[in-house]
Amino acid sequence: ETGVTQTPRHLVMGMTNKKSLKCEQHLGHNAMYWYKQSAKKPLELMFVYNFKEQTENNSVPSRFSPECPNSSHLFLHLHTLQPEDSALYLCASSQVHGSETNVLTFGAGSRLTVL
Amino acid sequence: AQKITQTQPGMFVQEKEAVTLDCTYDTSDPSYGLFWYKQPSSGEMIFLIYQGSYDQQNATEGRYSLNFQKARKSANLVISASQLGDSAMYFCAHTGGFKTIFGAGTRLFVKA
Repeated sequence: ETGVTQTPRHLVMGMTNKKSLKCEQHLGHNAMYWYKQSAKKPLELMFVYNFKEQTENNSVPSRFSPECPNSSHLFLHLHTLQPEDSALYLCASSQVHGSETNVLTFGAGSRLTVL
Repeated sequence: AQKITQTQPGMFVQEKEAVTLDCTYDTSDPSYGLFWYKQPSSGEMIFLIYQGSYDQQNATEGRYSLNFQKARKSANLVISASQLGDSAMYFCAHTGGFKTIFGAGTRLFVKA
């Protein structure tokens, strides 16, 4: 495996379900990110982990719970979601050298549908 | 707060011609980076080109160049010699600190 891998690629869940999205990066990067991409809206930054520490939580509802057990893995735990949470969830990683040269490498995304 | 504006929801270009995708930004960061990413229909975001706020010269990467005008706060992407495979969504992005924000994107259609 190379790059950034996201599983599952597609997920359908009910509003009472609990599920998790997984992201794994094979690039040796030290920062990982979750973005939400909804139809007709810009990408929304959800969470940032730098050296496994969460450095950004962009006012995300508590029904989304991130977990970063090490610098290679990032999870997004989902529970009691709403239909408006249906979106493409993109994971990204980067090697942070200086704050302005932060090139993101993205995974292919997990397409979530909440019924 | 940082903000990225892309005013062209969709653009058409004839194959082999050049096209410019517009991007303006607003930032309070003294030092920042500007990026362009491509998102084909498969969904994966692909990094194209980067411009640092203190770089004196415009960035170039193959057929991609970034027309950076700092005083106007614009960072337009120029694609030369368009190819059919260039049809995709294009996103302008700003990075300050560990936070990267994106514009709404421009969908580019390349006509044969």
